[in-house]
Amino acid sequence: AQSVTQLDSQVPVFEEAPVELRCNYSSSVSVYLFWYVQYPNQGLQLLLKYLSGSTLVESINGFEAEFNKSQTSFHLRKPSVHISDTAEYFCAVITYNNNDMRFGAGTRLTVKP
Amino acid sequence: DTGVSQNPRHKITKRGQNVTFRCDPISEHNRLYWYRQTLGQGPEFLTYFQNEAQLEKSRLLSDRFSAERPKGSFSTLEIQRTEQGDSAMYLCASSLFSSNEQFFGPGTRLTVL
Repeated sequence: AQSVTQLDSQVPVFEEAPVELRCNYSSSVSVYLFWYVQYPNQGLQLLLKYLSGSTLVESINGFEAEFNKSQTSFHLRKPSVHISDTAEYFCAVITYNNNDMRFGAGTRLTVKP
Repeated sequence: DTGVSQNPRHKITKRGQNVTFRCDPISEHNRLYWYRQTLGQGPEFLTYFQNEAQLEKSRLLSDRFSAERPKGSFSTLEIQRTEQGDSAMYLCASSLFSSNEQFFGPGTRLTVL
């Protein structure tokens, strides 16, 4: 079965600094990859996804992630973070042939002024 | 449509009691998923429906758990004889058959005393 590892449980950064949240996955078959964001006391919101095509995907609020098949990674990046980006971020993977979405343990991003 | 809704948002119960949660998916979505999320972890897949058919169940779904989606619209998740280990956030998500993008509800937080 597929699995996801998020290498950092907490990432503190200062406002306007760049950030990278790391995600590695394991699967014997082709996958779809997702990043979800969860603000306090709210459900998960889809941030961006890789299904096929260009390996670099972007969100509307400045985040981007690159699918690297050889390194089995899907790291999330933002060149300049805002206080409002403070949240929990989850990487998730689903394989082509089932609907069992597997999530990483999450990375808590804290943006400080 | 306002998205996926879940009721109640919070539930406190005593050990041994039965509880039932409801999920209303986005109206045109024919797939519905249940996940469990414990503190500091990502969501864990429990089960999923395509229309009214329950197509997959995780090994996490013990005999005390049962889920239904009788008319292919809303779904209920019942936990019988609750245990303290059942305390978690229970998340519901829905998607179109043709899409792997899942839309999540706000969750039901269960506390078993």
